[in-house]
Formats: sequence, structure tokens, C-alpha cells
Amino acid sequence: EAGVAQSPRYKIIEKRQSVAFWCNPISGHATLYWYQQILGQGPKLLIQFQNNGVVDDSQLPKDRFSAERLKGVDSTLKIQPAKLEDSAVYLCASSPGLASHEQFFGPGTRLTVL
Amino acid sequence: GNSVTQMEGPVTLSEEAFLTINCTYTATGYPSLFWYVQYPGEGLQLLLKATKADDKGSNKGFEATYRKETTSFHLEKGSVQVSDSAVYFCARMNNAGNMLTFGGGTRLMVKP
Repeated sequence: EAGVAQSPRYKIIEKRQSVAFWCNPISGHATLYWYQQILGQGPKLLIQFQNNGVVDDSQLPKDRFSAERLKGVDSTLKIQPAKLEDSAVYLCASSPGLASHEQFFGPGTRLTVL
Repeated sequence: GNSVTQMEGPVTLSEEAFLTINCTYTATGYPSLFWYVQYPGEGLQLLLKATKADDKGSNKGFEATYRKETTSFHLEKGSVQVSDSAVYFCARMNNAGNMLTFGGGTRLMVKP
């Protein structure tokens, strides 16, 4: 079974530029999550989708971050404009359903903002 | 709110040493508890889990017991290997079963 796919694996941009990350969850998984993992810290949930609807985006900085999952399968996370403090690894995870109690993580995208 | 606290690293051990990484959580209800491992250059992988009090999760020689009375879920392994070198994250699920809260991670370095 293929795992969660993410691209790109690495991205370097300058502050005030825009960037987008892509995630393809495990086939059939209805729930998709985006996490931000700052160096030396645990992952922090940014947004959670159930199919193509947002379940929780309370920790998403909506002035600069946006995410969509239009067809309920793959998802994109965008930052516009980026700040230095956005440097982190962005992790995508998926699970079969809302209360499945297990999440499967992709390899992450490491973003460096200069 | 939900929170998870785990011991800060790095933890440096010699091969075949005994490992304990402490983890405590805030107790609102009976959350499912998890240990995830992140090997260098790889994504997070579920190592083990426990879904109710007194449950013991185990995998690859690692164990953790859900202790309701001490709100703890300490990770243990009797004999570590160099290949166990990684960052270990303790996590709890919220009561709705849809949101994970992670601890800050503990880096383990095992020397031959």
C-alpha cells in the first residue's frame, strides 16, 4: 500500500515570496491533516479536512496560510507571503476517518525562508 | 486544554543499555496515547499505542503502559541498538478521536 506522498521535499524561498505544498493521502482515507513542525518541537496541527470540508482550522494563520482539498483527495497548502518564522517542516497525514485513532504521515516538506 | 510533556533530550546511550523516555499528559477523559518515531530524513511513524487505562502498547522491543493514576505513558526498551537512534514523540488524541497533540520530542542517540 502506497503511503502519504508529499512534494516538494525541500523548498528555499525568500521572505515575502509565495510557496505551495502538495499532499496525496493514502487511497481511501477520508481525513487529511496538515501539521507544522518547527525545528526542535513537536508537530502542531494547522488544518484538518474530512473529504473536501474543513473540520478544524483554528490554528491556521489565515492571513497568510490557506489550504484546499477541492475533490476530497489530494490537498495543497499555500503560504503567501512567507515570513522567516514559517521555516519548518510541513507534514501531511491521513487517516481512514474522523475517529480512526491512527494517522499516517508523509515525509514532509522542509521549508527554509531566507 | 490537551497537552503532552516529555523529557528533553538528547538522550545518549551505549548499545544494549536500558531506555526510558518519560511522557505525561493532561487528563481530560481517557485519551488514546501514542508514541511516534522519526528516523533521520524520514516522516513520523507510529511506534505503538494504547487506547485505555492499563493497556500496554508494544512494538520492536519498545513498550509503554497507559498509567491513569500518574497520567503517564513512559516509553521503555530493555536493550537499545544503534538503529534506534531517532526522535521519539509522545502524543495524545482528543476525546473526539480526531486531533493529535504532540510532545516536543526526545532525541535518542545510541553509540556502538
